[in-house]
Amino acid sequence: DTEVTQTPKHLVMGMTNKKSLKCEQHMGHRAMYWYKQKAKKPPELMFVYSYEKLSINESVPSRFSPECPNSSLLNLHLHALQPEDSALYLCASSYGDSYEQYFGPGTRLTVT
Amino acid sequence: SQQGEEDPQALSIQEGENATMNCSYKTSINNLQWYRQNSGRGLVHLILIRSNEREKHSGRLRVTLDTSKKSSSLLITASRAADTASYFCATDAGPYGGATNKLIFGTGTLLAVQP
Repeated sequence: DTEVTQTPKHLVMGMTNKKSLKCEQHMGHRAMYWYKQKAKKPPELMFVYSYEKLSINESVPSRFSPECPNSSLLNLHLHALQPEDSALYLCASSYGDSYEQYFGPGTRLTVT
Repeated sequence: SQQGEEDPQALSIQEGENATMNCSYKTSINNLQWYRQNSGRGLVHLILIRSNEREKHSGRLRVTLDTSKKSSSLLITASRAADTASYFCATDAGPYGGATNKLIFGTGTLLAVQP
């Protein structure tokens, strides 16, 4: 199984809502990532988990809260988002350092 | 700031023609990777070239890397309409410790292959 799955595919939320994005992989990868991608722009790294521990936080606002419950799952908890947070949120995983990353299909988030 | 700049920003060719995309980056790297993204979808890894390699092939793809010029190129031969997508280079300046693999993506090239 070489697939990274993400749910939901689309999400519309108000600025006072709390929601979560979910990501799952069963490839035995040791690193998992969250990216944010705005239209016509490249993906921007948000967080990296290595061996279920947060290893990189790219100065992301605290309204985004990542969680890695186990080696196969990655969540991104959202709270009090702003309209400018609307974007495609991509999850990825990799075996480790210097390896390619496998991406999920993304969650299209709209904040109203 | 973004590590890679790509050119052209957009490229339109006919089926059967070759497409070449270029990527320039700023700092020393461990490896450079190329990804494809169909509109609004996830990225698909195409090829990885390490800093001690100069050229790599995979099917219709040919990638070159010139570390002295801090540049790479992706050549797609005999293009097909299905190759229509955005193409991104991504640089890995690691290692960062543990399993961490931090990629910085270039600005991307939007390729349109006309049937």
